[in-house]
Amino acid sequence: DTAVSQTPKYLVTQMGNDKSIKCEQNLGHDTMYWYKQDSKKFLKIMFSYNNKELIINETVPNRFSPKSPDKAHLNLHINSLELGDSAVYFCASSQSPDQPQHFGDGTRLSIL
Amino acid sequence: QQQVKQSPQSLIVQKGGISIINCAYENTAFDYFPWYQQFPGKGPALLIAIRPDVSEKKEGRFTISFNKSAKQFSLHIMDSQPGDSATYFCAATITGNQFYFGTGTSLTVIP
Repeated sequence: DTAVSQTPKYLVTQMGNDKSIKCEQNLGHDTMYWYKQDSKKFLKIMFSYNNKELIINETVPNRFSPKSPDKAHLNLHINSLELGDSAVYFCASSQSPDQPQHFGDGTRLSIL
Repeated sequence: QQQVKQSPQSLIVQKGGISIINCAYENTAFDYFPWYQQFPGKGPALLIAIRPDVSEKKEGRFTISFNKSAKQFSLHIMDSQPGDSATYFCAATITGNQFYFGTGTSLTVIP
C-alpha cells in the first residue's frame, strides 16, 4: 500500500503546454504539500493545504495552481510551462503542519 | 533566506567509517529537528528526529547530537555502509508551523 502516491512518475512535454500532477494520500492526514526539487537537490516548499485550506503559498509563479478536492488529494496544475519548470515535484502529507512529512516518490517534469 | 544551513554539500566516506553532517539555525523558537534520507528516484523519508530538551538521540547506527547553545545539530552515521549512500536533509520547525529544510548532503560510502 503506497501511502503517498503521485501520477505520473515522468512527464515530458513542450514549452507552453499545460499539465497536471495528481497526488493522493491514504494516511488520513490533514495536511498536504507540494515541493519542488531542482537539479542541485534543493527542496523548496511551494504550497501547503490543511483540511483543504491553503496555509502556505510561497513565492511561486501564478502559473502554478494547487487544487484540493478533498483532504486526501492535492493536485498541481501548471499553465504555460517554461524551461525553468523542469524539476522533480514531490507531494507530501502530515498529520498536522508540525508533524513529520511523508513524501511521494516524485514526478520528474522535463520541458523540451 | 536559508533558515537552516547544512554542510557539507557532499561527503565521501569509506565503508566502516563515521559520516558526520552538520546543520545550524538562527531561530531559537525551533522546537523539532528531523533528518530525512533520500535515495535516488525516491522521496525523502524521515530517518530520525530530536527535540531540544535532549542533547542526543540514537537509533541504531544513526545519532543526532544537539547543541542548543550553539544552535547546531548534527547527524552521525556510525559504521557507514554502501547502502547508506543517499542525500540527507536536516530540517527544523516550530510547533504548528511549516518545516524548513537544509540544502542537502550527498553521501557516498565507498566499499
